[in-house]
Formats: sequence, C-alpha cells, structure tokens
Amino acid sequence: DMKVTQMPRYLIKRMGENVLLECGQDMSHETMYWYRQDPGLGLQLIYISYDVDSNSEGDIPKGYRVSRKKREHFSLILDSAKTNQTSVYFCASSRDNNNQAPLFGEGTRLSVL
Amino acid sequence: GDSVTQTEGLVTLTEGLPVMLNCTYQTIYSNPFLFWYVHYLNESPRLLLKSSTDNKRTEHQGFHATLHKSSSSFHLQKSSAQLSDSALYYCALPRNMGYKLTFGTGTSLLVDP
Repeated sequence: DMKVTQMPRYLIKRMGENVLLECGQDMSHETMYWYRQDPGLGLQLIYISYDVDSNSEGDIPKGYRVSRKKREHFSLILDSAKTNQTSVYFCASSRDNNNQAPLFGEGTRLSVL
Repeated sequence: GDSVTQTEGLVTLTEGLPVMLNCTYQTIYSNPFLFWYVHYLNESPRLLLKSSTDNKRTEHQGFHATLHKSSSSFHLQKSSAQLSDSALYYCALPRNMGYKLTFGTGTSLLVDP
C-alpha cells in the first residue's frame, strides 16, 4: 500500500521544548521532504533529503534540523520550539526522478504555546 | 528564481457554475512542467493534474488545465462546480527542473449550493 505516514497527527508543546516529528514511507522512495503549511503562505519547503544522510536545506530551514538514517524514515526536529513554529507540517516522498509528483502524508498539526 | 503565482486566495462559486483558478509561473527553463494539487480538509494534499507539452490539455476527475508557455500559465478549469470540489488548490513548479517543488500560495475554492 503506497502511503506516507506521519506521527503524531496532533502535538502540543511549550515554548523551549524539543519536538520530534516522524515520517515513514513504504515505497522505497529516494527523495523525502518536509513542508510547513500556513494560511496565505502555502506550502513552504523546510528540508529535502535525496537519500540516507543526504539532506539539503529548503527555503525556511532556520530553527529546524532533520535526520535520515534509513531510506524509509525521515525525521524533523525542532530544538527549543518557538511559538512561530506553530503550523501544520507535511512530509512527502517521491522517486528519484524530477518528473515525479511527491506523495504527501496527512500532516502533523503542531501547536507551540 | 523560479516562482509560481496564484492571485486568488479565495474563490466562492455557486454549484453548477464553471471553475477557473489562475496559475502563472516564472522560470528560465524552456520546457517546464507544472502540477496542480488538491487539499481537502484533514486529508493529504494529493496530485490532481500534471502538465503535458505546450498547448496540450490534460484532464483528471473532471478538471482540466493547459500549459501555455506563451503566457506562462497553467490555469485549472472545470465546466461545472460541485459541492465536493470545495478544497484548497495549489499550483506547483519543480524548481530549476529539479526535485524542489515551489508551491503557489494556494486558492481556497468554496462551492455553495
């Protein structure tokens, strides 16, 4: 079953706490992404990973880091979360071909209080 | 750099009327391709359409779009709106013809009975 799975789906954290968002895919896709979605701003790319330990900054990487130790798993980490990181975070994956449209997960809604 | 513009933040229509959501883009590449994604509330954003060659129409699930390189446009259309079409629609362009997708800011379509 072709699916991108995100955990958790909802998360509430206090400012200054560390946050770990997990993403998995069962398609052996080489490329994985983290986006955040905000009203009026659309989907903004935080990080892209081309394969294990091959990660690259997107457009808004500040305040975030990522980890990809297995092809099927891609984590987004917020060290000392800030209130402006309250958002909906989407993970996506695609085959190693720039002609392929990424497949998205259902998102994680993060609130930082 | 590459960019995508969606000028309408919100489009409100009565059921049965035609739909047209605007998308224009900027890129230095002579043969770009674009995507339309649809995002229903509490679901994953999913691919709706992918562009074909210049001036060729592509269709899926009642929606259609035509890439016009002369006007740098890829507008999304449907002949008759349905209540179930209410969703957020994104136009997207692979940046530098690579893996990083640039999304527009999105257009919310609200179809009233």
